[in-house]
Amino acid sequence: AAGVIQSPRHLIKEKRETATLKCYPIPRHDTVYWYQQGPGQDPQFLISFYEKMQSDKGSIPDRFSAQQFSDYHSELNMSSLELGDSALYFCASSSWIRGETQYFGPGTRLLVL
Amino acid sequence: TQLLEQSPQFLSIQEGENLTVYCNSSSVFSSLQWYRQEPGEGPVLLVTVVTGGEVKKLKRLTFQFGDARKDSSLHITAAQPGDTGLYLCAGYSTLTFGKGTMLLVSP
Repeated sequence: AAGVIQSPRHLIKEKRETATLKCYPIPRHDTVYWYQQGPGQDPQFLISFYEKMQSDKGSIPDRFSAQQFSDYHSELNMSSLELGDSALYFCASSSWIRGETQYFGPGTRLLVL
Repeated sequence: TQLLEQSPQFLSIQEGENLTVYCNSSSVFSSLQWYRQEPGEGPVLLVTVVTGGEVKKLKRLTFQFGDARKDSSLHITAAQPGDTGLYLCAGYSTLTFGKGTMLLVSP
């Protein structure tokens, strides 16, 4: 079965640079969620989109923005990167009709130097 | 804010032993998910429980949702080294995670 796809899997950036993470949800899933997981931490919810509209907002910094496109893929844009942004970024997708259980992608490991 | 507390935070056992980990909250959840996460990988869904008192079994894993839908437990029978990982419970809707239970099963 198709899973959530994230790209890139690894990313190295320097302070003050920008980064764009991409997420391709499971086919026919209409909701996408972004999470940030720091070392030794549990995943923290950042933001979610349902049918291309922002549906919920968590602890996403103002320097970050995200959107969901017509093909349901989503991008997380991160600007003015800081050392503390180094983390694993997970995307999850769900289907409203199928009960909204979230299925996670493999994550993008971002390292800010 | 709905908070989930997991216990124990770390568990190291020998192969073949049984164990139970707990997930507790003061809030009621419409559903609760259990995930297992390996280092550097995304959480993998194990089970979703929806009905208060529900018990679900997945091979050697037994999941129970509390009658009041505020707590859940995961019981592993005859643990195997392959069970090693971080077990996360998460309550819907925006998946508030517990801190997780790190399980280490030694052969």
